[in-house]
Amino acid sequence: FALAQPPSVSVAPGRTAAITCAGDNLEFKTVHWYQQRPGQAPILVISNDKDRPSGIPERFSGSVSGNTATLTISRVEVGDEADYYCQVCQVWDTDSDAVTFGGGTKLTVL
Amino acid sequence: QVQLLQSGPEVKKPGSSVKVSCKAPGDTFNTYGIIWVRQARGQGLEWMGGIIPLFHSTLYAQVFEGRLSLTADASTTTSYMELTNLTSEDTATYFCSRASLRGTSYQAADLWGQGTLITVSP
Repeated sequence: FALAQPPSVSVAPGRTAAITCAGDNLEFKTVHWYQQRPGQAPILVISNDKDRPSGIPERFSGSVSGNTATLTISRVEVGDEADYYCQVCQVWDTDSDAVTFGGGTKLTVL
Repeated sequence: QVQLLQSGPEVKKPGSSVKVSCKAPGDTFNTYGIIWVRQARGQGLEWMGGIIPLFHSTLYAQVFEGRLSLTADASTTTSYMELTNLTSEDTATYFCSRASLRGTSYQAADLWGQGTLITVSP
């Protein structure tokens, strides 16, 4: 099982950024999203497809449709510049690992 | 959100082993799993495996089967990751994180350690 993310997304401050994550039958799985700034540990920004953990701004939202999950960041700020990773957790079987990360997307705020 | 405390950086020789510790908040082992993730310099996140301390159950990524051992000490709420037969390709930062559970399946990781840099060099 693999998750595909675009390597990079660029957006101007104040605009909306959409970061996608593609994988087989994602609508039947649970997707989580993490933000990672250089030299820091990841931070959970969206859990269970669309839930925002405490402390995460409302500007961050998640959705899943078909084989694609999307992290949307509204009113992008310079401080949102970071790498973003999607993650899927599934029941382990002999053909796939229990946890899979996407390759990551570098968000650049122009 | 960094509230798991990991051991410090290490330099190892090829062929040797490394053991990294990860101390979690006191209530973690009752209801959460601990997953381990590594990240080579400039690369993405790679899941290594997870342990559910309450059940002493472990799962390993297929690529690490036979080389990775995850353990947990409930008396100190500390998890350990041991990787054997190291090569230069194991040079990376290793993270532990607390993951919620759905049954025995791992879910989102809401707390992370600060990361431990392991360098494998002759």
